[in-house]
Amino acid sequence: EIVLTQSPATLSLSPGERAILSCRASQSVSRYLAWYQQKPGQGPRLLIFDASNRATGIPARFSGSGSGTDFTLTISSLEPEDFAFYYCQQVSHWPPENSFGQGTKLEIK
Amino acid sequence: QVQLVESGGGVLQPGGSLRLSCAASGFTFRSFTMHWVRQAPGKGLEWVAVISEDGSNQYYSDAVRGRFTVSRDNSKNTLFLQMAFLGGEDTAVYYCARGDFYGSGTYLHYWGQGTLVTVSS
Repeated sequence: EIVLTQSPATLSLSPGERAILSCRASQSVSRYLAWYQQKPGQGPRLLIFDASNRATGIPARFSGSGSGTDFTLTISSLEPEDFAFYYCQQVSHWPPENSFGQGTKLEIK
Repeated sequence: QVQLVESGGGVLQPGGSLRLSCAASGFTFRSFTMHWVRQAPGKGLEWVAVISEDGSNQYYSDAVRGRFTVSRDNSKNTLFLQMAFLGGEDTAVYYCARGDFYGSGTYLHYWGQGTLVTVSS
């Protein structure tokens, strides 16, 4: 079973700052990794797939990188609407049981 | 546009049963795998089940296997989750999501708004 560990659990930043979120896998998932954003009361939104590809309509300030076991989601300059929860998910194994990380809360400082 | 609307949630006692529905619109429903993902209050996302495009294959998490059944009616563009022997650990918002094959893997691009299931005595 692959375990995804996200860090930090909570990230406190101000609008305009750069956010760097980490997701580490217990074994290699190649580049089969996604990032999702979730706001309170809403379903998640796909941001990044295949580690570094932005989904349709996702602003360019969101970027993903990494491969193997270490992945990063970077938000270059935080907008007020970016403060939310972020989850990574690996899809290298099917079915995708236990495939999500525990999440990072990005909050306004 | 793609829409997924869950319904059927509610409050029930331990040991009870419930069927959730997910009405899909804005795309060719029969062409996509469909997933259920849940989120306990204040917790993270937990994948629950997936069903193939034609309904012939289903997979479940260990936590629900043997108690939950996922099915679909492609003629009515609807996904279902039949839940039985419910316990407090099943209390969660249940989301349906569409599986999209991008690049090298299947990702959950579109999600519904969720329906809340509360199991309590």
